[in-house]
Amino acid sequence: NAGVMQNPRHLVRRRGQEARLRCSPMKGHSHVYWYRQLPEEGLKFMVYLQKENIIDESGMPKERFSAEFPKEGPSILRIQQVVRGDSAAYFCASSPPSWDRDTQYFGPGTRLTVL
Amino acid sequence: SQQGEEDPQALSIQEGENATMNCSYKTSINNLQWYRQNSGRGLVHLILIRSNEREKHSGRLRVTLDTSKKSSSLLITASRAADTASYFCATQSAGSSYKLIFGSGTRLLVRP
Repeated sequence: NAGVMQNPRHLVRRRGQEARLRCSPMKGHSHVYWYRQLPEEGLKFMVYLQKENIIDESGMPKERFSAEFPKEGPSILRIQQVVRGDSAAYFCASSPPSWDRDTQYFGPGTRLTVL
Repeated sequence: SQQGEEDPQALSIQEGENATMNCSYKTSINNLQWYRQNSGRGLVHLILIRSNEREKHSGRLRVTLDTSKKSSSLLITASRAADTASYFCATQSAGSSYKLIFGSGTRLLVRP
């Protein structure tokens, strides 16, 4: 059973460009979470999605950031018009169906660098 | 704001010694979890302790939870150089059971 997969692992963008980060959850997992980690800090919750639904986006900036988890395909975190402050590691996690959601399984992360 | 705060921020020990890390949190929780992160890598889930549990063991790991003091500790016994990593506590609260709230981590260095 493959773990959570994220790509790309490293992404470099210039200010003003768009960044698209992809996350494929573990097989059988229908819940996806995105977290952001700034250097030397812990992870901060951004958004929680189920298939085709955003459940909680309270940790995501209102502007320039969006997330989706379509019926088919990976979850996408999209950052438009990136700025230097967006440079961080973005981690995706997934969990099994509702009755066993306590443990989240993390992917290796995407390290975004904005020049 | 961060729910959990780890103490110490950094810890350096000799191989074979025990390492103890502490975590404090602010609100009522369903459970508290500990994760390890090697430099530049993803997070590895170590252990989960529920709010009605006081102590849990897994191999060389021992976790305690004191809900009256809103604190937890992670003990790694007989440390190895491979234990060098950052360790994070994370809580899931009663009001938002899916959201993990992370502390800022303890950076552990185990010298060979």
